[in-house]
Amino acid sequence: GQQLNQSPQSMFIQEGEDVSMNCTSSSIFNTWLWYKQDPGEGPVLLIALYKAGELTSNGRLTAQFGITRKDSFLNISASIPSDVGIYFCAGPVVEYGNKLVFGAGTILRVKS
Amino acid sequence: GAVVSQHPSRVICKSGTSVKIECRSLDFQATTMFWYRQFPKKSLMLMATSNEGSKATYEQGVEKDKFLINHASLTLSTLTVTSAHPEDSSFYICSAYDRVSGNTIYFGEGSWLTVV
Repeated sequence: GQQLNQSPQSMFIQEGEDVSMNCTSSSIFNTWLWYKQDPGEGPVLLIALYKAGELTSNGRLTAQFGITRKDSFLNISASIPSDVGIYFCAGPVVEYGNKLVFGAGTILRVKS
Repeated sequence: GAVVSQHPSRVICKSGTSVKIECRSLDFQATTMFWYRQFPKKSLMLMATSNEGSKATYEQGVEKDKFLINHASLTLSTLTVTSAHPEDSSFYICSAYDRVSGNTIYFGEGSWLTVV
């Protein structure tokens, strides 16, 4: 079945540094979604991407939908302590009623 | 952005009792909602797809008689954990599919269930 390979699995960075994480798939997705989950909370949508090649920013976050529709990256610039959390990429599978397929998540820790 | 609200955020129940968790889409109609279970430091595990006006579709290995799902309206889906056992203790999260405003899926805040 379709699955998303997300990397890195975890990152421990210094405050102020930039962060980059990515997801790849063997299958084509029409939508890529990036979520952040804080401990004990539900995932919060950060960025939604709908077109191949689309580059979208949300504050210090930038995400791109790969031209092949099989990959996406999320960048966080000038990280701050509140960026700590788990970041998930996800894509709805239309033929399965828009069920989301998730990446395994990237755990981000920030040293201040 | 769209908001999905889940209630209760935390619940403790005794073994053998049933507990209901509500998922509401506050500013959009959701014909499809999803229920997930999440274990610590793990990704979300889809339990079932809730369709308004019809029966839920359960993932393999999820007991439909134990996890009752009712999607009675376009803004409300409920998950009832019946005859709860301690191993049902977990973090349950719903999501709702917003087809109209962006073909996007939004999550609720999650509900912590502890069965004692």
